[in-house]
Amino acid sequence: DAKTTQPPSMDCAEGRAANLPCNHSTISGNEYVYWYRQIHSQGPQYIIHGLKNNETNEMASLIITEDRKSSTLILPHATLRDTAVYYCIVRVARQGAQKLVFGQGTRLTINP
Amino acid sequence: DGGITQSPKYLFRKEGQNVTLSCEQNLNHDAMYWYRQDPGQGLRLIYYSQIVNDFQKGDIAEGYSVSREKKESFPLTVTSAQKNPTAFYLCASTAGGGSTQYFGPGTRLLVL
Repeated sequence: DAKTTQPPSMDCAEGRAANLPCNHSTISGNEYVYWYRQIHSQGPQYIIHGLKNNETNEMASLIITEDRKSSTLILPHATLRDTAVYYCIVRVARQGAQKLVFGQGTRLTINP
Repeated sequence: DGGITQSPKYLFRKEGQNVTLSCEQNLNHDAMYWYRQDPGQGLRLIYYSQIVNDFQKGDIAEGYSVSREKKESFPLTVTSAQKNPTAFYLCASTAGGGSTQYFGPGTRLLVL
């Protein structure tokens, strides 16, 4: 699985959009970009994933650059409950069990 | 509500004692996983199971054992051979044809 690079920490004001970047310059053509977040002392929560098209769901939007070497997770209206560590993971989507490799992630703090 | 449950939330172990952590899912998922998380670190895979009565070692299986007698259950035993068991333990599951892993709330194990 390709390696990802994320900033260690970010701050965002409550009510504003939070944009979390992720670099994955060695991504392969069959690898997806997944985003999870982990609120303190809880299990990781799946947010969104995509291959090459931009994706949106009720939690967030995922913007993937045309060359697929980087992506941005967007939380459109951040709330205090969005304070968490956000993990960007790149992996092949295939059947069968496979582990997730979590890096250090980005610690996002939403300020009132 | 469908989901993954882990119990107990906190568990204390005495030196030389085996303890078993419970993981149950009602999502009808085929694959299940156990991860360990140390403070400020990412997740490391202990064991995983693709189907009933089958399981495979992950990256840090020494000192741990599992069973998969039922599709919905994947208990983890931390044996006395695990010399540094204090950690946050996370269980996850995946549907047969998908790659998105869903996590339980975790069990925090402390050695007395």
